[in-house]
Amino acid sequence: AQSVTQLDSHVSVSEGTPVLLRCNYSSSYSPSLFWYVQHPNKGLQLLLKYTSAATLVKGINGFEAEFKKSETSFHLTKPSAHMSDAAEYFCVVSEMDSSYKLIFGSGTRLLVRP
Amino acid sequence: GAVVSQHPSWVICKSGTSVKIECRSLDFQATTMFWYRQFPKQSLMLMATSNEGSKATYEQGVEKDKFLINHASLTLSTLTVTSAHPEDSSFYICSAVIQGAEAFFGQGTRLTVV
Repeated sequence: AQSVTQLDSHVSVSEGTPVLLRCNYSSSYSPSLFWYVQHPNKGLQLLLKYTSAATLVKGINGFEAEFKKSETSFHLTKPSAHMSDAAEYFCVVSEMDSSYKLIFGSGTRLLVRP
Repeated sequence: GAVVSQHPSWVICKSGTSVKIECRSLDFQATTMFWYRQFPKQSLMLMATSNEGSKATYEQGVEKDKFLINHASLTLSTLTVTSAHPEDSSFYICSAVIQGAEAFFGQGTRLTVV
């Protein structure tokens, strides 16, 4: 079975400083991995996805993530945090069957200080 | 991107009544839809997989008689919370999948049972 672990429940950064949200996955196969963002009481927005193409994936709003098979990691980064980045971030792995079931990590709340 | 519309966005109901939540794919046909539940400050937990024209597949621990799922067409899935109780209060989110592509999420429904 596939699983994903988000190592930090909360991350706090100052505006303009780099963001690092950590994610490790467990999979028997080459996984599809995603990062989603959720603002309060809103649905989910896809930031980026990895589907066995380039290991460095660029997403929206300046976010990017690097797939590292040797470390089973898919950490999300952004060079400079903006106040509007404050939200909940979910690392997600897709099961490798036809159901396209998504398995969510526990989430990381990003706080951005002025 | 593809749009998934979820209705209502919020609902308050009395204990013992039933509530229906709709999930529509507006500009594409979705053979598979998923229903998730999210408790405050927690991650999304998959409740069930809904396939058009067949019975839903429920995750372990989810009461199928309480959470009725109907997927009558390629663009509509409904979740009915029957005989709702305060502990059913939660944020319910649906997603729809374009085969071979990504999952698109509805904006969620905040259910409050009083």
